[in-house]
Amino acid sequence: DAGVIQSPRHEVTEMGQEVTLRCKPISGHNSLFWYRQTMMRGLELLIYFNNNVPIDDSGMPEDRFSAKMPNASFSTLKIQPSEPRDSAVYFCASSSGSGANVLTFGAGSRLTVL
Amino acid sequence: QKEVEQDPGPLSVPEGAIVSLNCTYSNSAFQYFMWYRQYSRKGPELLMYTYSSGNKEDGRFTAQVDKSSKYISLFIRDSQPSDSATYLCAMKTSHGGNKLVFGAGTILRVKS
Repeated sequence: DAGVIQSPRHEVTEMGQEVTLRCKPISGHNSLFWYRQTMMRGLELLIYFNNNVPIDDSGMPEDRFSAKMPNASFSTLKIQPSEPRDSAVYFCASSSGSGANVLTFGAGSRLTVL
Repeated sequence: QKEVEQDPGPLSVPEGAIVSLNCTYSNSAFQYFMWYRQYSRKGPELLMYTYSSGNKEDGRFTAQVDKSSKYISLFIRDSQPSDSATYLCAMKTSHGGNKLVFGAGTILRVKS
């Protein structure tokens, strides 16, 4: 298995632009998570899905952020409009959702908003 | 106060040293305790996990959980430069969904 695949790996954009981050989870995993990592705040859970259904989006900072999971093999995190304070590394992770819920993370998407 | 507290370091040790990394937590409902390792510009990867209290050993790594003190530790014996990374503790309850709560991560540098 190729693991969790994220794209793009790097994104540089200007304030006000729309940003879309993409994730392909591991086949057979039924839980998908979006995290944001910054030096100041560490690793923060934004939202997670079970069986393609959003379960907890309490970590989504504001209405500018939205996430979708149209099927079991694809998810997007969209920021519109983007702001400089959104600059961070965004990780997608997937798991089987049972027991310890061991997460497998992707390599991350590094976002810089100028 | 955060649910999980972890000293961000950095912690710098000579090669061969024994390393002790720690986290404290406030939620007594946590039952699963994990350690993830994150190399620079990579995603975190699971190192070890334990359920409830006790110790678990895997090669040079030992994880300890003390639920009475709400304190977990990761020990690394004979540390190597390749152990240089950020170590994140993570915790989960046995109910209430699949949400993991992460510590801030401790940066470890092992000098050769």
